[in-house]
Amino acid sequence: EVVMTQSPATLSVSPGERATLSCRASQSVATNLAWYQQKPGQAPRLLIYDASTRASGIPGRVSGSGSGTDFTLTISSLQSEDFAVYYCQHYNTWPFLFGQGTKLEIK
Amino acid sequence: EVQLVESGGGLVQPGGSLRLSCTASGFTVSRDYMNWVRQAPGKGLEWVSVMYGGGATHYADSVKGRFTISRDDSKNTVYLQMNSLRPDDTAVYYCGGPTTPRGFYYGMDVWGQGTTVTVSS
Repeated sequence: EVVMTQSPATLSVSPGERATLSCRASQSVATNLAWYQQKPGQAPRLLIYDASTRASGIPGRVSGSGSGTDFTLTISSLQSEDFAVYYCQHYNTWPFLFGQGTKLEIK
Repeated sequence: EVQLVESGGGLVQPGGSLRLSCTASGFTVSRDYMNWVRQAPGKGLEWVSVMYGGGATHYADSVKGRFTISRDDSKNTVYLQMNSLRPDDTAVYYCGGPTTPRGFYYGMDVWGQGTTVTVSS
C-alpha cells in the first residue's frame, strides 16, 4: 500500500499570508491525488483533484502542484475561512489512503 | 440539489453487526463510484471502501473480510454491511462520491453528513 505523509502536523500562519502544505507518498502515485479541507463538525470538502485541478467552486487562491511522490497545497492570502484541517488522499492503487492531516491555525 | 444522506448508525456490542445506508438525490450512485470514509473521535480520515459503477469493490485492510459495500439501484442507495464489529470501528462514517460524470476517478465532491457508529459493551 502507498502511505501518505503530510507535513507539518500544525502550521501557524497569519491572515493575508501564504500557507504551503506538503504531502509525500511512499511510492509514485503519478498525479492521482486529491486535497480535502475539513472544519470541525463538518464533512470534508474536495479542494483539488488530479494534483492540480481545482474542484468546482474553489477560489483561485487555492492551488495544488506536484507529481510522483511530492505534492504541495498552497493557499495564498489566507482568509478566516481557510483555517481548518487539510488532508491529502491518493487514488492511484487500492487502498486509497489519506495522509494524517495538517491543521492550519491562525498565528 | 445534489445530496447524500446517511443513516443506520448506533450503539452496538463488540462482535455485532450494523448496516449503514447512503441515499443519494440529484445524481445516480451507480454512475461512477461511491466511497465510505470514516473518522474515529479526534482522529483523521480513513478510507474504508469503494464501489464502482460496474460493480467492482475494494476495501481497506482494516475492514477486509468484515465489511461489505453494496447498492440498490432502484433505491439509489449504497450500503455498508459491517460484521464482527470491534471497538476500534467506532467512528463517524461518511459516504462520498462524484457529482460530475467525468469517466474517471477524481475524488469525492459530495459527502453525506455522517452517521455515528459506537462499538462498546
